[in-house]
Amino acid sequence: DAGITQSPRHKVTETGTPVTLRCHQTENHRYMYWYRQDPGHGLRLIHYSYGVKDTDKGEVSDGYSVSRSKTEDFLLTLESATSSQTSVYFCAINKDGGPEAFFGQGTRLTVV
Amino acid sequence: TQLLEQSPQFLSIQEGENLTVYCNSSSVFSSLQWYRQEPGEGPVLLVTVVTGGEVKKLKRLTFQFGDARKDSSLHITAAQPGDTGLYLCAGEDFNKFYFGSGTKLNVKP
Repeated sequence: DAGITQSPRHKVTETGTPVTLRCHQTENHRYMYWYRQDPGHGLRLIHYSYGVKDTDKGEVSDGYSVSRSKTEDFLLTLESATSSQTSVYFCAINKDGGPEAFFGQGTRLTVV
Repeated sequence: TQLLEQSPQFLSIQEGENLTVYCNSSSVFSSLQWYRQEPGEGPVLLVTVVTGGEVKKLKRLTFQFGDARKDSSLHITAAQPGDTGLYLCAGEDFNKFYFGSGTKLNVKP
């Protein structure tokens, strides 16, 4: 158990509304990631963080922003949700720069 | 963009059969991981391979990293229904992880 909690686990929202997903870790690891998973695309990196207030874009960052004001929390915000952002979102951590990622249980987001 | 291609995309076999899943990339990675994911859950790490040519065994699962560190394979011997799931390979480069699209395995009793 990597001590990662994602909230909410499920959310339905309307097109055009802002949405924030939260990832909380209990072990104070430096690296945190947000991925989205869609059929046929595997996991695609949205944004990642390598420390408090240090974030960078991934492959599919358009329409998403992130914030990390504390080591333990990494927030993903959809500024104005669109139907193309319907997906399952996973948060992951990397322990002390090692070669593995450890994942949360995911948030299923539906934009109607 | 670092692309990882997995094959096959889908595999449906009978219990007791052997199978191999492939992961190929145009890029060299510092390490490569294999994960298994069950419905409604996040991916769970199975193994990490780091050295070109490396072979690792995990019970009935054998993982191989290509000599050039651009490809890998996962071989399952005598598959069981409990092996059913989505198998994902991922390459790590400078603390970022790039995933293949996955192989969905169904093992029928």
